[in-house]
Amino acid sequence: NAGVTQTPKFQVLKTGQSMTLQCAQDMNHNSMYWYRQDPGMGLRLIYYSASEGTTDKGEVPNGYNVSRLNKREFSLRLESAAPSQTSVYFCASSAFVGGGELFFGEGSRLTVL
Amino acid sequence: TQLLEQSPQFLSIQEGENLTVYCNSSSVFSSLQWYRQEPGEGPVLLVTVVTGGEVKKLKRLTFQFGDARKDSSLHITAAQPGDTGLYLCAGEEVQGAQKLVFGQGTRLTINP
Repeated sequence: NAGVTQTPKFQVLKTGQSMTLQCAQDMNHNSMYWYRQDPGMGLRLIYYSASEGTTDKGEVPNGYNVSRLNKREFSLRLESAAPSQTSVYFCASSAFVGGGELFFGEGSRLTVL
Repeated sequence: TQLLEQSPQFLSIQEGENLTVYCNSSSVFSSLQWYRQEPGEGPVLLVTVVTGGEVKKLKRLTFQFGDARKDSSLHITAAQPGDTGLYLCAGEEVQGAQKLVFGQGTRLTINP
């Protein structure tokens, strides 16, 4: 039972480097999300994709881009990493936006030096 | 953006004690979810409350949605070390894209 799979689990970058976080779900969900989690801040929505072919900004989109590659996959790209982007990133999926339970991956811990 | 305030942010108590975690907002939500997160893992849904005044029980955990659908509480009776974790409330927006808005979380530690 894979559910939501994120890669990589850990990554260290230098300021200015770029990278892509990959996410895939095998539950045939329509909607997918990228959140970041920082101490004392809860989960903040970066971008989401309500359905294949659509993406929308969340609460904290600056410095990030996303691609909904197909129904299963939703990637998050940092074009020029900054220390403020040091965080734990979670991908999640749901049947549809407003459709109840979010299923989360295990998280990707990113450190930007 | 609708805001959800959780309190307390940190709570450390002894095994067997009772506790309540609060989730408050000035905004109305369609529904309110509670998640629990363990270290190194993603949050996992515990319960969803939908109707104002609704009470749901999950073993020793009792969840309540406020009458006005602006607040919620989680009460744990006779806490056990296995209850240790980060508890997150999340409200579904009434209007717009109906996205979930998360509170800051309550880090709960139950000491044996």
